[in-house]
Amino acid sequence: DAGVTQSPTHLIKTRGQQVTLRCSPKSGHDTVSWYQQALGQGPQFIFQYYEEEERQRGNFPDRFSGHQFPNYSSELNVNALLLGDSALYLCASSLFGTPNTEAFFGQGTRLTVV
Amino acid sequence: EDKVVQSPLSLVVHEGDTVTLNCSYEVTNFRSLLWYKQEKKAPTFLFMLTSSGIEKKSGRLSSILDKKELFSILNITATQTGDSAVYLCAVESGSARQLTFGSGTQLTVLP
Repeated sequence: DAGVTQSPTHLIKTRGQQVTLRCSPKSGHDTVSWYQQALGQGPQFIFQYYEEEERQRGNFPDRFSGHQFPNYSSELNVNALLLGDSALYLCASSLFGTPNTEAFFGQGTRLTVV
Repeated sequence: EDKVVQSPLSLVVHEGDTVTLNCSYEVTNFRSLLWYKQEKKAPTFLFMLTSSGIEKKSGRLSSILDKKELFSILNITATQTGDSAVYLCAVESGSARQLTFGSGTQLTVLP
């Protein structure tokens, strides 16, 4: 049973560039949430996708956008990269409408902006 | 704004010691509290707590939730070097069941 997979694992970008991160949810899951984890901090919620729509958004600027595909996989796009966007980006998958079940996390993408 | 505070921020103990990690929270529309262990990258699930006063146990780890006082503790007995990790507390809330995390407790277990 494949867990949550993210790609790439590491990425280095220059300020002002754009980046796309990808996530495939755990088999049987239909909901994908994205989190940003800065060094020494806990993950922060960016947004959640279900049925190909953004359902909930955290306190992140519009430079952060996403997409969910019919196969439930998801992309996170960040435009006009800033140095402060350097972080570990985690994807978590879950099954919509199933309380008392935990979200599963991928290994993350380490983004470095120089 | 939802808030989760963990203490201590870091802890260094020797193998065999018992540790208690703390988590307090203030959230609207509480659904559950979760504990995760993060060694390198992916947080791995430890416990989900929804009811007050019911201890959850897995081997040397146990956790309990107090919904009246808005806190949870995670206990690890007979610690091993493999327990060294960041322990994250998160509260699930809202219709999207989003997670609000604390900053984590960095546990280091020395041989």
